[in-house]
Amino acid sequence: AQSVTQLGSHVSVSEGALVLLRCNYSSSVPPYLFWYVQYPNQGLQLLLKYTSAATLVKGINGFEAEFKKSETSFHLTKPSAHMSDAAEYFCAVSDPVGGTSYGKLTFGQGTILTVHP
Amino acid sequence: DTGVSQNPRHKITKRGQNVTFRCDPISEHNRLYWYRQTLGQGPEFLTYFQNEAQLEKSRLLSDRFSAERPKGSFSTLEIQRTEQGDSAMYLCASSLVSADTQYFGPGTRLTVL
Repeated sequence: AQSVTQLGSHVSVSEGALVLLRCNYSSSVPPYLFWYVQYPNQGLQLLLKYTSAATLVKGINGFEAEFKKSETSFHLTKPSAHMSDAAEYFCAVSDPVGGTSYGKLTFGQGTILTVHP
Repeated sequence: DTGVSQNPRHKITKRGQNVTFRCDPISEHNRLYWYRQTLGQGPEFLTYFQNEAQLEKSRLLSDRFSAERPKGSFSTLEIQRTEQGDSAMYLCASSLVSADTQYFGPGTRLTVL
């Protein structure tokens, strides 16, 4: 069974500092990996995804993530935090269904990012 | 493309009552997913449809829960005899079969008193 672990339920950074949100996964087959962001009382918005192409993936709002198979990790980074980045971030994994299309998402527990001025 | 919509956005009910939520996916998206998110947790998969067929149900989906997608367009999720433990955000997402990205709606927050 696939699973996702996000290390650190809360991360606090200063504005302009590096953001690093950690995600490790387990999957029996090459997975698809996703990072979503959730603002209060809203649904989830896709930040970026890894789908077996380039291992370094760039997303919206200056975020990027690197897929490292040897470490089973997909950590999310941003060089310089902005106040508007404050939100909850979820890492998710999807396994192929029947060897073809990808289906349900399995999410981590989430990491709340706080940005201090 | 108007995005995924969910109604109602909020629902407060008394224990033992039945509730029904609706999800309208992005038009032409043939897959529709339901997830449940409790406070401080990530979303958990409940069930999904491909067109009108319900292809998978989680063990989280007890007999009190039923979902339908009668014409392969909108979907409803009904909870019978609600319990306080059903209080959560219910999220709907849609995608194309050929695509890997799920697009989420704003969710319906259920509070069971």
